[in-house]
Amino acid sequence: TQLLEQSPQFLSIQEGENLTVYCNSSSVFSSLQWYRQEPGEGPVLLVTVVTGGEVKKLKRLTFQFGDARKDSSLHITAAQTGDTGLYLCAGGGSNYQLIWGAGTKLIIKP
Amino acid sequence: KAGVTQTPRYLIKTRGQQVTLSCSPISGHRSVSWYQQTPGQGLQFLFEYFSETQRNKGNFPGRFSGRQFSNSRSEMNVSTLELGDSALYLCASSFISSGANVLTFGAGSRLTVL
Repeated sequence: TQLLEQSPQFLSIQEGENLTVYCNSSSVFSSLQWYRQEPGEGPVLLVTVVTGGEVKKLKRLTFQFGDARKDSSLHITAAQTGDTGLYLCAGGGSNYQLIWGAGTKLIIKP
Repeated sequence: KAGVTQTPRYLIKTRGQQVTLSCSPISGHRSVSWYQQTPGQGLQFLFEYFSETQRNKGNFPGRFSGRQFSNSRSEMNVSTLELGDSALYLCASSFISSGANVLTFGAGSRLTVL
């Protein structure tokens, strides 16, 4: 059974600080996606990475897919209150099924 | 391009009742997935439909069922509701991009079972 472990589960920091969220597994994934979910809404796709070692940047957010395609990280530089939300990672398994992490609840305090 | 529409957004039911939730995917998307989200269990996959056929199924009891119509709209039904069925039910339509299954979620249907 493929599992994705996300850490930390909860993170509360001050605006302007940097943070990193991790997504780890012992399994290899064909792709890795990151979503952000705000209260009362469904998750929204932030990025998809498909190549081992791939790095993608989305403004202040940097996503990395591990060389072995077993892990990923999301780094936010100079966090803003608008970054508050639940961050979910999802690994692409067989038959295009997605394996989901449990999520990281991020709160950015002004 | 309209997003994924889920109805109703909120509903309250009592134990033993049944409920039907509806999902209209993005136009042109033929795949629809359903998820249950609770604070304790996170996002749990229920099932996926593609061209009116169930393609994948999660580990939920038979009380949870779904279907997809020829216009790709989908419904899910939960019979004999239990307190533990209280959750946010999310629908997502998807397409394959660069070998990845990319999901667009609706806002969800918040079910409370009393």
